[in-house]
Amino acid sequence: AQSVTQLGSHVSVSEGALVLLRCNYSSSVPPYLFWYVQYPNQGLQLLLKYTSAATLVKGINGFEAEFKKSETSFHLTKPSAHMSDAAEYFCAVSRGSNYKLTFGKGTLLTVNP
Amino acid sequence: EAQVTQNPRYLITVTGKKLTVTCSQNMNHEYMSWYRQDPGLGLRQIYYSMNVEVTDKGDVPEGYKVSRKEKRNFPLILESPSPNQTSLYFCASSLSASGTGADTQYFGPGTRLTVL
Repeated sequence: AQSVTQLGSHVSVSEGALVLLRCNYSSSVPPYLFWYVQYPNQGLQLLLKYTSAATLVKGINGFEAEFKKSETSFHLTKPSAHMSDAAEYFCAVSRGSNYKLTFGKGTLLTVNP
Repeated sequence: EAQVTQNPRYLITVTGKKLTVTCSQNMNHEYMSWYRQDPGLGLRQIYYSMNVEVTDKGDVPEGYKVSRKEKRNFPLILESPSPNQTSLYFCASSLSASGTGADTQYFGPGTRLTVL
């Protein structure tokens, strides 16, 4: 069975600092990987996804993630945090004909002025 | 505007009183799914549907029912709600139910349910 582990339930950074949110997956075959963002009182919005076309994936709002098969990781980064990035971030893996998304438990990002 | 809508957005009810949360998408998507979100647990799939009249259980289906009579609608039914079903519920849809799972799932705004 596939699973996702997000290291750190809460990450706090200063405005302008590097954002690094960690995600490791467990899958017997190369999966499809997603990062979603959830702003307060809103639904989930796709940031980016890996579908085997390129290992470095660029998403919206300046975020990017790199698929590293040897490390089974798909960490999310942004060079310079903005106050508007404060939200909860979910890593998810999908594989199989039922399109099921298996989510990590989420990482709450706080951005301090 | 392409979107997934859910109603109601907020609902407080009592144990045992049947309720339905509606979900509708206007993108002609084949695949639809329901998730519940609980603190510290992330999102877990309740039920999904690959197309009209095709539904199946997800990870936490107990106490829930769904139907897919039309392509655009996928209501979630709680016939006898209990307090452990207090949660934030999300409906999602994606374009195709065939293939490998790479399609993006689009989420509704969520329904916050409290069962007293």
